[in-house]
Amino acid sequence: GESVGLHLPTLSVQEGDNSIINCAYSNSASDYFIWYKQESGKGPQFIIDIRSNMDKRQGQRVTVLLNKTVKHLSLQIAATQPGDSAVYFCAESDQAGTALIFGKGTTLSVSS
Amino acid sequence: KAGVTQTPRYLIKTRGQQVTLSCSPISGHRSVSWYQQTPGQGLQFLFEYFSETQRNKGNFPGRFSGRQFSNSRSEMNVSTLELGDSALYLCASRNQETQYFGPGTRLLVL
Repeated sequence: GESVGLHLPTLSVQEGDNSIINCAYSNSASDYFIWYKQESGKGPQFIIDIRSNMDKRQGQRVTVLLNKTVKHLSLQIAATQPGDSAVYFCAESDQAGTALIFGKGTTLSVSS
Repeated sequence: KAGVTQTPRYLIKTRGQQVTLSCSPISGHRSVSWYQQTPGQGLQFLFEYFSETQRNKGNFPGRFSGRQFSNSRSEMNVSTLELGDSALYLCASRNQETQYFGPGTRLLVL
């Protein structure tokens, strides 16, 4: 079945470090992927997305990499700040293109 | 533009009761989706509405239902509440591919 998962439930980094959060997906037919950040008491906040015809996309301090060969997605955050502390979810669009299938999330903790 | 709004933000109900949650999408967005978030199951898709029609439905029992109005606002209803329905219910709206989430309604069933 379709499923999206994350490799590590928690990640602790120092302020200023680069963070890498990984995600594995199982549906090779998925064509749209997205990363969300969720802070305590809030809904998921869009970070960056990527279509399957791309292997890299950059935003402000964030980069998403897509490796379709091994069905792997990663989120890189440059110069991580305490405000980046949150739970990060990857998600893929289902075959109907109307629903998101979420991974279980990685909690990023940034210490200063 | 204002973001997705959800009401109420917090709700306490008892088993057997029913509940209605409301979602107002971002202006101009015609698609509204609902998700349930629990510590054990994570974020799970409930259903998606577009132009007042349900286009997609997740794997939830029939006690979970929804609707969308002509102004794109949406409601979801859960009947005969069970303890396991305690969760954060999230609404998301979109006009193309990106779904934007509201703050959620925290439902506690006692």
